[in-house]
Amino acid sequence: GAVVSQHPSWVICKSGTSVKIECRSLDFQATTMFWYRQFPKQSLMLMATSNEGSKATYEQGVEKDKFLINHASLTLSTLTVTSAHPEDSSFYICSARDGLAEYNEQFFGPGTRLTVL
Amino acid sequence: GENVEQHPSTLSVQEGDSAVIKCTYSDSASNYFPWYKQELGKRPQLIIDIRSNVGEKKDQRIAVTLNKTAKHFSLHITETQPEDSAVYFCAATIKAAGNKLTFGGGTRVLVKP
Repeated sequence: GAVVSQHPSWVICKSGTSVKIECRSLDFQATTMFWYRQFPKQSLMLMATSNEGSKATYEQGVEKDKFLINHASLTLSTLTVTSAHPEDSSFYICSARDGLAEYNEQFFGPGTRLTVL
Repeated sequence: GENVEQHPSTLSVQEGDSAVIKCTYSDSASNYFPWYKQELGKRPQLIIDIRSNVGEKKDQRIAVTLNKTAKHFSLHITETQPEDSAVYFCAATIKAAGNKLTFGGGTRVLVKP
């Protein structure tokens, strides 16, 4: 299957700093990437849909100025958590959809665990 | 938007027994229903999926059934093994809505040896 990587796998930062997370599709072109957040013992919640070359579409309740998404190429999307606070501590997972694939399968990255002190 | 309900939230079974997880969805336009297995701290792994033009699909010990009329789909795991212990998520997606996945709340499955 298709491979999606994510970097870093974990990060610890001080409150008020910004953190950038990268999501890469390694062996296919991802016209669409998705960013999820997962709190402990909870389900994955979609934050935003990232389309190559256009602005991201954010889900209701997600602050677009706090969670900056850039999808500058067909293999890379980045999520920047600006002015992070302890309540932003979570497991962030990206997924990518093969733009050429007939079906809807999404391929998930390994996730990034963010801890804000 | 789409809403996916998943039951039960926890499921404990004896090794060798079957496990069944049920999900319902709200949007009749949903056309793709994947099931994921997630181990602690890891990414969700697709274990089986079904499309809206199919009623049932099986892959070794895992099967999924879909009832479009009732808008529900189920995951069946037979001959459970301790390594089946994990959290399982169902999801639904609508191709016309950008293929966004809406996840169920998850089921924590524990297979007791």
